[in-house]
Amino acid sequence: QKEVEQDPGPLSVPEGAIVSLNCTYSNSAFQYFMWYRQYSRKGPELLMYTYSSGNKEDGRFTAQVDKSSKYISLFIRDSQPSDSATYLCAIQGAQKLVFGQGTRLTINP
Amino acid sequence: DSGVTQTPKHLITATGQRVTLRCSPRSGDLSVYWYQQSLDQGLQFLIHYYNGEERAKGNILERFSAQQFPDLHSELNLSSLELGDSALYFCASSVASGQRSTDTQYFGPGTRLTVL
Repeated sequence: QKEVEQDPGPLSVPEGAIVSLNCTYSNSAFQYFMWYRQYSRKGPELLMYTYSSGNKEDGRFTAQVDKSSKYISLFIRDSQPSDSATYLCAIQGAQKLVFGQGTRLTINP
Repeated sequence: DSGVTQTPKHLITATGQRVTLRCSPRSGDLSVYWYQQSLDQGLQFLIHYYNGEERAKGNILERFSAQQFPDLHSELNLSSLELGDSALYFCASSVASGQRSTDTQYFGPGTRLTVL
């Protein structure tokens, strides 16, 4: 079993839609959770990180963590074509980041 | 631009060969991480150096090795290359040792390796 599971998609939605991206993880010791965005032919860039269960908002983006279910989510409101990218969840393990497979998202104008 | 530089951008070589990938971290960052990204495996952690010392190893093959030099740049050496080594190789850097969540890792643009 992979430490972090993420549906690779692809996911295609119309502009303005609410997007929900999800990951599950197996190790309950994980405490820090991140979302990275990766545009084509670029390196990943940190979008958001959270520590505790609950929600964290940053503009149109909301990160949600449910430690009891070992489930993390990223919501994008009012999605824009510029949000088209691959989104990777990442979890801080012992001395390393463990990444999900990444979900390729396309926002259609 | 993350401030992390990687060279070369692209590398095409043959099976059995050896290549060296180079990474310069952001100014002031002491940690360097190497990752491999392939379509089937996703982004996999390879190795972490902090201020010249190896700190953690991930799924790094014995044919691969890395080092971090006194000026903090790092090199990833890949030898006896196989077709399956074709992938994107990313370097990331952070300020501290990487044990805290707030040690944000900043990724470089990557080196695309193609083994023919």
